[in-house]
Amino acid sequence: NAGVMQNPRHLVRRRGQEARLRCSPMKGHSHVYWYRQLPEEGLKFMVYLQKENIIDESGMPKERFSAEFPKEGPSILRIQQVVRGDSAAYFCASSPRQGQADGYTFGSGTRLTVV
Amino acid sequence: DQQVKQNSPSLSVQEGRISILNCDYTNSMFDYFLWYKKYPAEGPTFLISISSIKDKNEDGRFTVFLNKSAKHLSLHIVPSQPGDSAVYFCAELYNYGQNFVFGPGTRLSVLP
Repeated sequence: NAGVMQNPRHLVRRRGQEARLRCSPMKGHSHVYWYRQLPEEGLKFMVYLQKENIIDESGMPKERFSAEFPKEGPSILRIQQVVRGDSAAYFCASSPRQGQADGYTFGSGTRLTVV
Repeated sequence: DQQVKQNSPSLSVQEGRISILNCDYTNSMFDYFLWYKKYPAEGPTFLISISSIKDKNEDGRFTVFLNKSAKHLSLHIVPSQPGDSAVYFCAELYNYGQNFVFGPGTRLSVLP
């Protein structure tokens, strides 16, 4: 039973390019959460999705960032026109249902470096 | 505005001794807190939780204490082992379980 799978593990982009981060939740989990960890900081909530729906995107920057969780396939976090400040570790978590804090499982993260 | 603070960025402890990691919060909607442990290049893993109906929760070598009047919680690890060396995040659950507010983490080093 694979855990939460994130790919790629490392992603290097030049300023102005697009970054796509993928997250496949655990089997049976239909709730996906994206968090970002900047250097020397804790994880910051970005967005919460269920299949085909964005439930809460209060932590997403207003511009350049978007997320989706289609009916088929992984959840995608997309960052357009990346800037150096986007360099961070991006973690995805999944759970079988809302409100089950102990059931959140995190992936190993994608480390984005913008050069 | 929820804030979770971990004022010690790092802590070193001798193997076999007690490790005490501290966490303070400003406001709490649900008084439900969790500790996560994170190794380098891995995602955080859930360690232990506590809710407001308790002031203590124990799981093996790990015990979490909650002092609601002081808005403070702490994680005790006894006895500490070298494999406990990791970054520990305190997190508060809020928004009806939809997400967490994390502290900045404390890096624990357990010395053999």
